Amino acid sequence: EVQVVESGGGLVEPGRSLRLSCTASGFTFGDHPMAWFRQAPGKGLEWVSYIRTKGYSETTEYAASVRGRFTMSRDDSKSVAYLQMNSLEIEDTAIYYCSKSLRIVGDAFDIWGQGTVVTVSS
Amino acid sequence: EIVVTQSPGTLSLSPGERATLSCRASQSCEYLAWYQQKPGQPPRLLIYDGSYRAAGIPDRFSGSGSGADFTLTINRLEPEDFAVYYCQHYATQVWTFGQGTRVEI
Repeated sequence: EVQVVESGGGLVEPGRSLRLSCTASGFTFGDHPMAWFRQAPGKGLEWVSYIRTKGYSETTEYAASVRGRFTMSRDDSKSVAYLQMNSLEIEDTAIYYCSKSLRIVGDAFDIWGQGTVVTVSS
Repeated sequence: EIVVTQSPGTLSLSPGERATLSCRASQSCEYLAWYQQKPGQPPRLLIYDGSYRAAGIPDRFSGSGSGADFTLTINRLEPEDFAVYYCQHYATQVWTFGQGTRVEI
């Protein structure tokens, strides 16, 4: 079964850090760009970050709201993508979804995890 | 900043009716996708490249449009189709979602 599973969420104080993991299975992980999205309580979807494949130097893109604070990486040998979140703000509270790109161009995302909840609160 | 606007915000329909959802962006898309989301679930990819159905998506779902103006049509609504639908615009390394359209009974 093709799937991704997120982990690492939790309750954290403003200004602290958290690292999310996304473990993939059922497909050739290294062949696909990956992305993180988030959804604040009762709100819509927001793209957070994107990482290309090794063939594209694993370059990354970030939403303006997280650029400079969040870092996405991948370990193809373990089929895992990471999201290192630093200097967390209350506005970062959301369900964080990991997703697999349908194609190499990263135009759409066809496999989504169930999400991991991040709560930033003092 | 790219702005993606979906309309209407809410669509109240009955099973068997047709739903027409609109997605308009402030600039032309390189790619446009549609997703369905039900409460407590992650999004599900329905349409990519504006008009291609993702694997396993019933043919009552269809997408059309080009440039910055796109439409998702759901023919003969089934009870399981009542959900929130998001369009996702991609251009110049930025992925932007519309605010969603809720299709309710």
